[in-house]
Amino acid sequence: KQEVTQIPAALSVPEGENLVLNCSFTDSAIYNLQWFRQDPGKGLTSLLLIQSSQREQTSGRLNASLDKSSGRSTLYIAASQPGDSATYLCAGGTQGGSEKLVFGKGTKLTVNP
Amino acid sequence: DAGVTQSPTHLIKTRGQQVTLRCSPISGHKSVSWYQQVLGQGPQFIFQYYEKEERGRGNFPDRFSARQFPNYSSELNVNALLLGDSALYLCASSLVLAGGWTQYFGPGTRLLVL
Repeated sequence: KQEVTQIPAALSVPEGENLVLNCSFTDSAIYNLQWFRQDPGKGLTSLLLIQSSQREQTSGRLNASLDKSSGRSTLYIAASQPGDSATYLCAGGTQGGSEKLVFGKGTKLTVNP
Repeated sequence: DAGVTQSPTHLIKTRGQQVTLRCSPISGHKSVSWYQQVLGQGPQFIFQYYEKEERGRGNFPDRFSARQFPNYSSELNVNALLLGDSALYLCASSLVLAGGWTQYFGPGTRLLVL
């Protein structure tokens, strides 16, 4: 059974700082790994998707890596801005007949001006 | 193109009542999944439907049911509501790309059970 853990649960940083959010998963037979952003009371916005055959993906100031052997993924945010303040969720996609995502509880990021 | 849409946005029910939530996928997407997100937790998988067939079911009681229509829209039904069913219900539609799939989420329906 896939379990996803995110550390830390909350993080507060000053504007401009580079930061790393961590995600670990128990089943290395992961199909894909997605990072999402969730603003308070809102739905999920997909940030980056890494297929199981890939090691990393980049979009603008965001870079996500995937290491299946160690069961870890990281989301790197460069030059953080107050607008980056949100909860960041990682989710592992399972193999098999269904398209199921297993989510962590998220990391709540606050970027202070 | 419009994203995934869900209705209603908010809903208040009392214990024991029944509720129906609706979802329209992105045009061209044939797969719809439902997730429940309780406050402070990550979303939990409830159902996935593809081409009107159930493809996956999470660890939820039989009070939860869903269906998908010929136009690929979907409904989630919850019977005999409990206080613990209060949550944000998220719908996602899937696009199958070369080598994999990715899910796009709607804004959710916030259900409060009193």
